[in-house]
Amino acid sequence: QKEVEQDPGPLSVPEGAIVSLNCTYSNSAFQYFMWYRQYSRKGPELLMYTYSSGNKEDGRFTAQVDKSSKYISLFIRDSQPSDSATYLCAMSPSSYDKVIFGPGTSLSVIP
Amino acid sequence: DAGVIQSPRHEVTEMGQEVTLRCKPISGHDYLFWYRQTMMRGLELLIYFNNNVPIDDSGMPEDRFSAKMPNASFSTLKIQPSEPRDSAVYFCASSLAGAGNTNEKLFFGSGTQLSVL
Repeated sequence: QKEVEQDPGPLSVPEGAIVSLNCTYSNSAFQYFMWYRQYSRKGPELLMYTYSSGNKEDGRFTAQVDKSSKYISLFIRDSQPSDSATYLCAMSPSSYDKVIFGPGTSLSVIP
Repeated sequence: DAGVIQSPRHEVTEMGQEVTLRCKPISGHDYLFWYRQTMMRGLELLIYFNNNVPIDDSGMPEDRFSAKMPNASFSTLKIQPSEPRDSAVYFCASSLAGAGNTNEKLFFGSGTQLSVL
């Protein structure tokens, strides 16, 4: 079993839809949880960052962490064509440790 | 700031040749990471440095791979000899830890697309 699992998609939605992206993990030591967005032929860029369990909202994006279920989610409201990218979840056991990435989910938002 | 700079952008080489990938981190960042990305395996951490010192190289696939960071503004990843299965996109990333920051906030370069024929 991989340390971090993510549905690879591809996921295709109409513009304006609510998108739900999810990851599961096996290592209970993970404390820091991130979502990175990667456009084609670019490096990943940090989108959301949370510590431990709970929710965090930033504009149209909401990140949720459920450590008891070892499950994290990213919700995108009012999705836009510019949101079309690959979304990678990432996590780490401490603030000074290596970051482990999920395989990524490819998202296409159709105008 | 120009961000993390990687070179070359693309590299095509023949099996058995030596390949050197280069990275200039963001000035002031004290962590540097090398990742490899493929469709099959996703984004894998190869090695990372803190203040120019290698901290964890457990992701380096074989002895054919080596990485150095001679100073705070430059790092190389070398593959010798290269093999077709090394074909991937290699990313360098840097981060700033301490003073309220953490090294999870990685800044990635644009990557080097390596093709070994």
